[in-house]
Amino acid sequence: DIQLTQSPSSVSASLGDRVTITCRASQGISTWLAWYQQKPGKAPRLLIYTASTLQGGVPSRFSGSKSGTDFTLTISSLQPEDVATYYCQQANRFPLTFGGGTKVEIK
Amino acid sequence: EVQLLESGGGLVQPGGSLRLSCEGSGFTFSNYAMGWVRQAPGKGLEWVSVFSGSGGRTYYADSVQGRFIISRDDSKNMLYLQLSSLKAEDTGVYYCAKDLDRGLGSYFFDLWGRGTLVTVSS
Repeated sequence: DIQLTQSPSSVSASLGDRVTITCRASQGISTWLAWYQQKPGKAPRLLIYTASTLQGGVPSRFSGSKSGTDFTLTISSLQPEDVATYYCQQANRFPLTFGGGTKVEIK
Repeated sequence: EVQLLESGGGLVQPGGSLRLSCEGSGFTFSNYAMGWVRQAPGKGLEWVSVFSGSGGRTYYADSVQGRFIISRDDSKNMLYLQLSSLKAEDTGVYYCAKDLDRGLGSYFFDLWGRGTLVTVSS
């Protein structure tokens, strides 16, 4: 199975700060990676797919990138509504797997 | 409105069975792969199963293989998950999710239901 390791597990940042979350795959997955945002008590929301494609309706302050087996989700300027837990997910092969999640809070 | 609505969750004893349902609306249900993702209380997301949009292929997580069965009725825009031999570790919110892409699918999920809670306890 492909393991996805997210770091950090939590991050606290000030409004307007740049926030970076990393997801490392245990083997090559090309660009078969997505990022989701989940707010407390809500269903996940797709933010980015194929590593860097922004889903429709998602603010442009969210971006994704890839370097080898490392994937990054960046929030360029943290807003109050970005408080949530973020998950990566690989779709390169079954079983589909999710990272452990990164909780983003406001300092 | 494009949406998914799950039902069928509840309290069940260990070893018991349950059938979850998911009704899709606002899109051509038969064109898309559909899946189930669960979340144990206070934990992360865990993929459970997916039914492809074409070809009728099904896939399962190792943790549920042989105990859960995914099915769909495209004439009714319905997705199902039959849960059997339930264990305490199956407890959680079960989300129904739609694939981003038509046809073979990408297995990224762009539409999610609100979830239905399954509690396995004696």
